[in-house]
Amino acid sequence: NAGVTQTPKFRVLKTGQSMTLLCAQDMNHEYMYWYRQDPGMGLRLIHYSVGEGTTAKGEVPDGYNVSRLKKQNFLLGLESAAPSQTSVYFCASSPLSSTANYGYTFGSGTRLTVV
Amino acid sequence: SQQGEEDPQALSIQEGENATMNCSYKTSINNLQWYRQNSGRGLVHLILIRSNEREKHSGRLRVTLDTSKKSSSLLITASRAADTASYFCATDVGGKLIFGQGTELSVKP
Repeated sequence: NAGVTQTPKFRVLKTGQSMTLLCAQDMNHEYMYWYRQDPGMGLRLIHYSVGEGTTAKGEVPDGYNVSRLKKQNFLLGLESAAPSQTSVYFCASSPLSSTANYGYTFGSGTRLTVV
Repeated sequence: SQQGEEDPQALSIQEGENATMNCSYKTSINNLQWYRQNSGRGLVHLILIRSNEREKHSGRLRVTLDTSKKSSSLLITASRAADTASYFCATDVGGKLIFGQGTELSVKP
């Protein structure tokens, strides 16, 4: 079982460049999430999806876009990268909402540096 | 603003000792969850405690929840060097998990 797979694992971008981070899960989970982790800030929710074809904003959505065209994939896009977006990005999935007492399964992260 | 805050931010103990981490939160919750993160890795779900539960055990882990004080604690008994990691509490707010800043635990052999 692969669980949640994130690609790429590392990336260096120049300011203004664009890129897409891919998250794939093989557990048939309905809910998927993108978080960023910065030193001293914990994890902050960027965007999330409650099912195929749906997306919603989290705490820090500015500068990011997402798409969930297939149930198993959740893409995070940076249209014009900025140094403030240097971070470690984590994708997570869950069968249903955390309100229904489900925990999340996390990927291993993408370390992004914007220079 | 952060929903959950862990205390202490860092904790260093000897192997075999117990480790206690605390989490405080601000709003009403449906459940509270604890996660572990090893260096350079993703988070791993450890345990979930529902708002109507006061204590829960899983192996060497013991979690308590006091909704009147809006606080939770995670106790790791008989710690091992392999327990060295960051530990995060997360609270369910509106169907999404909001994470605290974490406690960095170092267990020295």
